[in-house]
Amino acid sequence: SSELTQDPAVSVALGQTVRITCQGDSLRSYYASWYQQKPGQAPVLVIYGKNNRPSGIPDRFSGSSSGNTASLTITGAQAEDEADYYCNSRDSSGNHPFGGGTKLTVL
Amino acid sequence: QLQLQESGPGLVKPSETLSLTCTVSGGSISSSSYYWGWIRQPPGKGLEWIGSIYYSGSTYYNPSLKSRVTISVDTSKNQFSLKLSSVTAADTAVYYCARHNWNYVHFDYWGQGTLVTVSS
Repeated sequence: SSELTQDPAVSVALGQTVRITCQGDSLRSYYASWYQQKPGQAPVLVIYGKNNRPSGIPDRFSGSSSGNTASLTITGAQAEDEADYYCNSRDSSGNHPFGGGTKLTVL
Repeated sequence: QLQLQESGPGLVKPSETLSLTCTVSGGSISSSSYYWGWIRQPPGKGLEWIGSIYYSGSTYYNPSLKSRVTISVDTSKNQFSLKLSSVTAADTAVYYCARHNWNYVHFDYWGQGTLVTVSS
């Protein structure tokens, strides 16, 4: 199955560390990518590959993977990190599903 | 800087065909290693990959939409297009086009998105 599962909502205190997870069988074979989306805006790529950040993405964002779970970690969360986060990967058939998304609240 | 811009009707009647075009500027759609994809997002819901195309015309589609979707490319205009047939209200969404890095499995450049409403 190429389905990717995310927790619907996660919260973190300002300045603390938060991990957002994405589970799926395809993650045993393929990396996940992560996207941040703020209201009314297009998604923005924040992590891809093993743990790569596009230019302009703060280094408090990092990615990791183990078994069937990929994780996005924000170390020292800021108020501007409050957003929806989506994971994406692929399967052996060339399907590229997104996870259902995680709403991050910074308290 | 690569830019993508979606264009097309914002209102489509039920049972008709939704047609959108994505114009790529600041780079060539014929670049190797990159596919070009369509993603949509119904109001208040998550992202859904629709499909992707290589400049040669090779395509991959979401199995759940495959019977209704056609993605094509026009390299002379640096554009790619989406057609979704037999639309219903469930196809109402913001439609995004994006550059799709196939080898490293990510979408790195996105258009701003365009809202398409299906209504009579």
